[in-house]
Formats: sequence, structure tokens, C-alpha cells
Amino acid sequence: GAVVSQHPSRVICKSGTSVKIECRSLDFQATTMFWYRQFPKQSLMLMATSNEGSKATYEQGVEKDKFLINHASLTLSTLTVTSAHPEDSSFYICSASGDRGMEQYFGPGTRLTVT
Amino acid sequence: KQEVTQIPAALSVPEGENLVLNCSFTDSAIYNLQWFRQDPGKGLTSLLLIQSSQREQTSGRLNASLDKSSGRSTLYIAASQPGDSATYLCAVSWYGGATNKLIFGTGTLLAVQP
Repeated sequence: GAVVSQHPSRVICKSGTSVKIECRSLDFQATTMFWYRQFPKQSLMLMATSNEGSKATYEQGVEKDKFLINHASLTLSTLTVTSAHPEDSSFYICSASGDRGMEQYFGPGTRLTVT
Repeated sequence: KQEVTQIPAALSVPEGENLVLNCSFTDSAIYNLQWFRQDPGKGLTSLLLIQSSQREQTSGRLNASLDKSSGRSTLYIAASQPGDSATYLCAVSWYGGATNKLIFGTGTLLAVQP
């Protein structure tokens, strides 16, 4: 099946710093990538949808200036959490869909801890 | 507003039992519905995908049904095993033009006791 990777799997950063998370489709071209956030014992919440070469579409309540999304190629999307705060600590999961149809394929997630 | 709800929130059963997890959704004009499994601290494992034109899908001991008119899906797990213990998530995609967003349910935490 289609494989999506995320890097890093875990990251710890200090409050006020920025951290970048990468999402890659390894064996297919992803025209669309999605970023989700999951707080402990809660479900996944869609943060934004990005199409290759265009600006991301953010869900209501998600600050676009804080969560910068770049989808510059058909295999890579990045999420940068700027000026991170402890309340940004969460599990971030990406998914991708593209030339294999509309089904979304999920990455393994990135655990972000802000101290 | 498009929403997905799952009941029960948690379920504990003895090994060997058959069980049913429920998922309900608003707005019957769905594109597809997926069931996922999530182990603690891990990502998602896709279990079954049902297209809007289908009524059910089966994989091994798992069977998922879809009733669009009532806005419901069920995941049936036969002969449950301790290894089935995980959180099960239902996600629905609605027609949205070029991109179809997935809305996730609240999940059911399943514990299968040996």
C-alpha cells in the first residue's frame, strides 16, 4: 500500500522556539496533504488541508500564522509550529492523497512536547 | 454541521466474545467511511474502507456495514482477542470538491480481557 512517513517521531522543544515536522509520501504523488492534531484521550482534529503549490486551507480556530504549512512538492509537506507554547504539546499526524485516488494514507505521527 | 459520533466510548469484554462498535454521522451524502485502529501513542492503522455505494466490507474477523439513510455504520469484531485491544476510530468523508476532508469520531476504547 501507499506509505507516508513523518519526521521526527518525537521532539521536545523549549517554549518560544519553532519546530518543523515533515510529512513525506514515499511511493506516490500526493496532490493533497492533511494535518491533524490529537490531544490525549481525544480524537483527531483536522487542522489544515494543503494542495501542492498553493496556500493551505485552515480549519476554523487554527491560527495560520502559528502553524505554517508548506507543500512545495508532490511528496513533501511541512508543518512548522512557531513560538511554541506548552499548550501546543500534542500528537501531530499527517495524511496524504493523490494519484492513487481519494483515500487518505496516514503517517505514524509526531509527538511534540513543549517545555 | 457534519459530525461523527461513536458509542460506546469504552467497552470491556472477555476474550472470545463477538462485539459491535457503533458510528453515527450527520448528513447522509457521504463519499466514504473508514474504520481505523489506534494503539496507545501510535498512529492509525486503516481497517476497512466503505465507499458510499457499498453496504459492507469484510476483512478477516472484521465486518463493517454502512446504512447511509440512517447515518450509521457498525464494526463487528468476531471472536475477540486480547490483541484487539485498542481505540477504534470511525471517520467519514463527505463530497467537498477537489478535496474530501475526513471527520473523525470520538473513538471507542476497547479492552479484551484474557
